[in-house]
Amino acid sequence: GIQVEQSPPDLILQEGANSTLRCNFSDSVNNLQWFHQNPWGQLINLFYIPSGTKQNGRLSATTVATERYSLLYISSSQTTDSGVYFCAAFNAGKSTFGDGTTLTVKP
Amino acid sequence: DTAVSQTPKYLVTQMGNDKSIKCEQNLGHDTMYWYKQDSKKFLKIMFSYNNKELIINETVPNRFSPKSPDKAHLNLHINSLELGDSAVYFCASSQDVTQPQHFGDGTRLSIL
Repeated sequence: GIQVEQSPPDLILQEGANSTLRCNFSDSVNNLQWFHQNPWGQLINLFYIPSGTKQNGRLSATTVATERYSLLYISSSQTTDSGVYFCAAFNAGKSTFGDGTTLTVKP
Repeated sequence: DTAVSQTPKYLVTQMGNDKSIKCEQNLGHDTMYWYKQDSKKFLKIMFSYNNKELIINETVPNRFSPKSPDKAHLNLHINSLELGDSAVYFCASSQDVTQPQHFGDGTRLSIL
């Protein structure tokens, strides 16, 4: 099956800083999704992005399918951005999640 | 209005018991999923159903039996619970297997 690697595994930021999270996947995919798991355990779908670039407020994501990676940008980070960010690669109806990036934003 | 709802939210039970977790979605989606998240936060798909039919079964022990009475519901029944079944179980749905997934809030299962 597809292998999904996320980096960095952990990230600590001061409020207001910018960051980039990376997701590499080993094979072609039908789609790629980014999720945020907040400190209460809820999983929120951030982006559905099989290719190209999308923006939603302070967050944006870019997937370069031909090079098998996706990036999640967080600008002007806030304490409420803390949590675990997962990317998930989808192929033939099956999803594989990366191990996540744990983000801590300090006030 | 809750889009994907799971019950119960917490489940504490003894080893060897049988338990069920229910999931309902009101989004009109055709596809539903069950995921397991272990204590290290690793998320792994268990099952996927499309229009009440099983399309993915990811080497899950046959003590786990999903049931989809209609496309808005996907329940998970677990027989003879073991310590290793302790985890958070998430239900999710999407329009089809290529579309964005929406997750329920999870069911935390603890085996004593």
